[in-house]
Amino acid sequence: DQQVKQNSPSLSVQEGRISILNCDYTNSMFDYFLWYKKYPAEGPTFLISISSIKDKNEDGRFTVFLNKSAKHLSLHIVPSQPGDSAVYFCAASGRWGAQKLVFGQGTRLTINP
Amino acid sequence: DVKVTQSSRYLVKRTGEKVFLECVQDMDHENMFWYRQDPGLGLRLIYFSYDVKMKEKGDIPEGYSVSREKKERFSLILESASTNQTSMYLCASSLLGRTGSQETQYFGPGTRLLVL
Repeated sequence: DQQVKQNSPSLSVQEGRISILNCDYTNSMFDYFLWYKKYPAEGPTFLISISSIKDKNEDGRFTVFLNKSAKHLSLHIVPSQPGDSAVYFCAASGRWGAQKLVFGQGTRLTINP
Repeated sequence: DVKVTQSSRYLVKRTGEKVFLECVQDMDHENMFWYRQDPGLGLRLIYFSYDVKMKEKGDIPEGYSVSREKKERFSLILESASTNQTSMYLCASSLLGRTGSQETQYFGPGTRLLVL
């Protein structure tokens, strides 16, 4: 039972354009959402997060949008750069202690020059 | 800078062997986690620990055990390795945080385990 779903295994975007990565969740108890980025042969690194009390959080080129009624969040990267090519994981947590995260399957983003 | 290190980057073991994966963090984090990453499945939590000698099962604990004798070290043990445990294993750590807060998890580089 996949509680966090990233339905696009891969995405290809032209350099300079906007990249939009999507994530859906099923558990209404989730109240915090994160995006991690992973390069090959490295561990995931934290990118940006959003609390359920907000609908948008921005950090430089990265913006995360949360639609609680649709149980959907998205990560926007603009403008996309070649160094953004990586696998992006969406993750969610709730108030059950120890900050357990539930991850999606990941989306491989490729930025083409 | 937080540093999470894992004892091996690549490991090849035979079916039935006992396998130890070691993880060390240098930031005095209370929480430590073991995940496995498989194509199409993302990261799945195996076990986690929020204190020395404390452990909690994650989503897929079967076939694994853990040990946390010191705060900085969290070991994952495959009691009798099987081919379906071939995977990328990722260790992470985080601060305990206040109730209701979410602390960032910092990951190690991963250990790619092949069980033959």
